[in-house]
Amino acid sequence: KNEVEQSPQNLTAQEGEFITINCSYSVGISALHWLQQHPGGGIVSLFMLSSGKKKHGRLIATINIQEKHSSLHITASHPRDSAVYICAVGGQFYFGTGTSLTVIP
Amino acid sequence: KAGVTQTPRYLIKTRGQQVTLSCSPISGHRSVSWYQQTPGQGLQFLFEYFSETQRNKGNFPGRFSGRQFSNSRSEMNVSTLELGDSALYLCASSYLGRPGPYEQYFGPGTRLTVT
Repeated sequence: KNEVEQSPQNLTAQEGEFITINCSYSVGISALHWLQQHPGGGIVSLFMLSSGKKKHGRLIATINIQEKHSSLHITASHPRDSAVYICAVGGQFYFGTGTSLTVIP
Repeated sequence: KAGVTQTPRYLIKTRGQQVTLSCSPISGHRSVSWYQQTPGQGLQFLFEYFSETQRNKGNFPGRFSGRQFSNSRSEMNVSTLELGDSALYLCASSYLGRPGPYEQYFGPGTRLTVT
């Protein structure tokens, strides 16, 4: 049983498209994290969410605590957004399997 | 501030050997967590240290151990290496100076290959 489910697993988009990645979880949480991992391994924390919505540049993250669901949106996608996006919950981090995003010029 | 640093970045070991990986957190950060990432299992939590004490531990065998020093630097050790231990080992630090959820800052990782 996976505590965190992400969808889709793989996503290919044309540059400029609006992208949505979904995350559902089954454990009680105080916060949900969206992480970005580029080829080569380094992980960057994009958002930490406890409620509502956060925006950073072209990235928007939302969370619905009652439904145990979060979404990461990328507006006007760009090839540099190509990476693996990982949802993580719980104090010790239960991780989703990641969404591999490729944005084609 | 300098980011989280991990050494070495790449390592090749033979089955049965042991290995020690090092992590230096961001200055002022008191919590260090370790994670293993493999293509098959994804990211998995190994353990977390705070003020030289292990606060939480993931579901890994006793061959995996760690420690934290008074300057918050941390090491993890894997003894009797197995082929399945080949992975990217990531360290992350956080401040933990206040209650509530906290953001973690990840290092670049150590890629361990066991042959």
